[in-house]
Amino acid sequence: GENVEQHPSTLSVQEGDSAVIKCTYSDSASNYFPWYKQELGKRPQLIIDIRSNVGEKKDQRIAVTLNKTAKHFSLHITETQPEDSAVYFCAASKGGANNLFFGTGTRLTVIP
Amino acid sequence: KAGVTQTPRYLIKTRGQQVTLSCSPISGHRSVSWYQQTPGQGLQFLFEYFSETQRNKGNFPGRFSGRQFSNSRSEMNVSTLELGDSALYLCASRPQVGGRSGGYTFGSGTRLTVV
Repeated sequence: GENVEQHPSTLSVQEGDSAVIKCTYSDSASNYFPWYKQELGKRPQLIIDIRSNVGEKKDQRIAVTLNKTAKHFSLHITETQPEDSAVYFCAASKGGANNLFFGTGTRLTVIP
Repeated sequence: KAGVTQTPRYLIKTRGQQVTLSCSPISGHRSVSWYQQTPGQGLQFLFEYFSETQRNKGNFPGRFSGRQFSNSRSEMNVSTLELGDSALYLCASRPQVGGRSGGYTFGSGTRLTVV
């Protein structure tokens, strides 16, 4: 099955700086890559996703890039704020009836 | 529109017992997936149901089972509980399986503690 690796496991940045989280996947057939944010004690929430027919997608301060050749994708958060502090999970799926495989998460801390 | 509802929120069981967890998906969502979340292993896929049929299954022992009802509500059962089963069990729903079905919407989870 699919194997998703995520780095780093922890990340601390100063407020206002950028944060980058990287994931790699093993199955070249994967074509759907969502990112989830999980605040302490809360449910994971979808923040952005990308499909394999595009290389980059932006939503305000959040962007995701995808390199299909290298089989990696990244989450970029600019102008970080304390409320961005959470655990972020990447995931990959072959789409359709296939389930999501998650990375092990990155704990982001934004220092005021 | 109500979100994904999981009950109970917290559960304490002893080793050897069995437990049943419940999940009600978002209205209109026909696919329900279950994940186990632990600090060391992240989100591990258990199984996914669609139209009362198990479509996918993760690498968990047979003690973990599930089912889905005609109203799309789902239950998962863990028999002969072990200490290592202590985890947050998350249910997620999506509108359909197949096509551009999109990402999951998660429930708040059931935190199971086995003592």
